[in-house]
Amino acid sequence: EAQVTQNPRYLITVTGKKLTVTCSQNMNHEYMSWYRQDPGLGLRQIYYSMNVEVTDKGDVPEGYKVSRKEKRNFPLILESPSPNQTSLYFCASTSDTDTQYFGPGTRLTVL
Amino acid sequence: GNSVTQMEGPVTLSEEAFLTINCTYTATGYPSLFWYVQYPGEGLQLLLKATKADDKGSNKGFEATYRKETTSFHLEKGSVQVSDSAVYFCALLYSTLTFGKGTMLLVSP
Repeated sequence: EAQVTQNPRYLITVTGKKLTVTCSQNMNHEYMSWYRQDPGLGLRQIYYSMNVEVTDKGDVPEGYKVSRKEKRNFPLILESPSPNQTSLYFCASTSDTDTQYFGPGTRLTVL
Repeated sequence: GNSVTQMEGPVTLSEEAFLTINCTYTATGYPSLFWYVQYPGEGLQLLLKATKADDKGSNKGFEATYRKETTSFHLEKGSVQVSDSAVYFCALLYSTLTFGKGTMLLVSP
């Protein structure tokens, strides 16, 4: 089954404690991206990657890092999380026909 | 820059009512247009799309027509069901994907 998986689905952490949210897709898509969803703001793109070892900033990249060492994986790294990064995060991969496939989401709370 | 504007929700309807969710866009070129749906506790799923002017996207009884003259892509359904209750996002793709803020639809029996 074609899918995008994210882990963990829920995470509560404290300010400053480094964390990684994993994302994996099994569709061999080249383009992957990370979004955060906040009430009243919709989805905003954090980072995207057009292929292995190629990443670029989206609209709200501050406080985040990503890596793309293999095509299927695109982890999101918060080196020093802060409360304003409390949000719902979605990973997505994009097909050749520009359809985005979203993961189930990771709800992050930073205390 | 590119932007998408959707009507604010929630939109509250009774089952079998007609649905319209308005979406207008601003883009520097000729984007592709999408509607995504997010059911409670889930990620977004593509509902329908249109890639050029006058194209009509359709799926599961929902339709939207790409209107270049009015820069709009309004979502319609003739008879909504309780199971259509969700948040609907309009989006445009022109180098990057830009989403509207979403419109919550609540359908009561």
